[in-house]
Amino acid sequence: QSVLTQPPSASGTPGQRVTISCSGSSSNIGSNYVYWYRLLPGTAPKVLMYRNNQRPSGVPARFSGSKSGTSASLAISGLRPEDEGDYYCAAWDESLSDQVFGGGTKLTVL
Amino acid sequence: QVQLQESGPGLVKPSETLSLTCSVSGASISSHSWAWIRQPPGKGLEWIGNISDSGDTNYSPSLKSRVTISVDTPKNQFSLRLTSVTAADTAVYYCARLFRDIYCDNSSCTKGYWFDPWGQGTLVTVS
Repeated sequence: QSVLTQPPSASGTPGQRVTISCSGSSSNIGSNYVYWYRLLPGTAPKVLMYRNNQRPSGVPARFSGSKSGTSASLAISGLRPEDEGDYYCAAWDESLSDQVFGGGTKLTVL
Repeated sequence: QVQLQESGPGLVKPSETLSLTCSVSGASISSHSWAWIRQPPGKGLEWIGNISDSGDTNYSPSLKSRVTISVDTPKNQFSLRLTSVTAADTAVYYCARLFRDIYCDNSSCTKGYWFDPWGQGTLVTVS
């Protein structure tokens, strides 16, 4: 069982806005930065968001991140078929002295 | 453009040592920090550990007694050794460049590690 909690699945139609949540505790999300990654089969994982809401160069502005208290979320607007994949949140956990990840959310574009 | 490529045996016997190498191009291995992450089949991501540009290492508590990460500067590579493997160590193993974030104010510090870019991953089966 993952330290950070994500919904196992999410879906939307092209053009829609989808939000993926990530819930943690005061020792991880509540006190440290949150990061988001996307994994696609057979390809290298990619960072989508760092320091809660900062987009690396090359990540479209359709992706946005936010954090409030012990929860974080990744929003994708103007959904596209190529946005399908598995999305993971991550944070440093002070109590565990460990980098922890969410269990992943499989995004399907219908 | 920084690129990483994992290499090593795809099959390891139980109780033996898993050894993987990550070859880095487009960046000097001695100028950055590096990490290993794995994903067991059907499960989520698990951080294994990091090595800094100064050679300091930091390992996941759950794997610390069995893990060694090291750097080979002349070859521009870094490596992972995981001893006494079991079937639970079967996973896709990824290498990645590590970035550290830290911001401190008067009361506390906010921290984070993030990984960019990643290698494509290599499946290691323990059987």
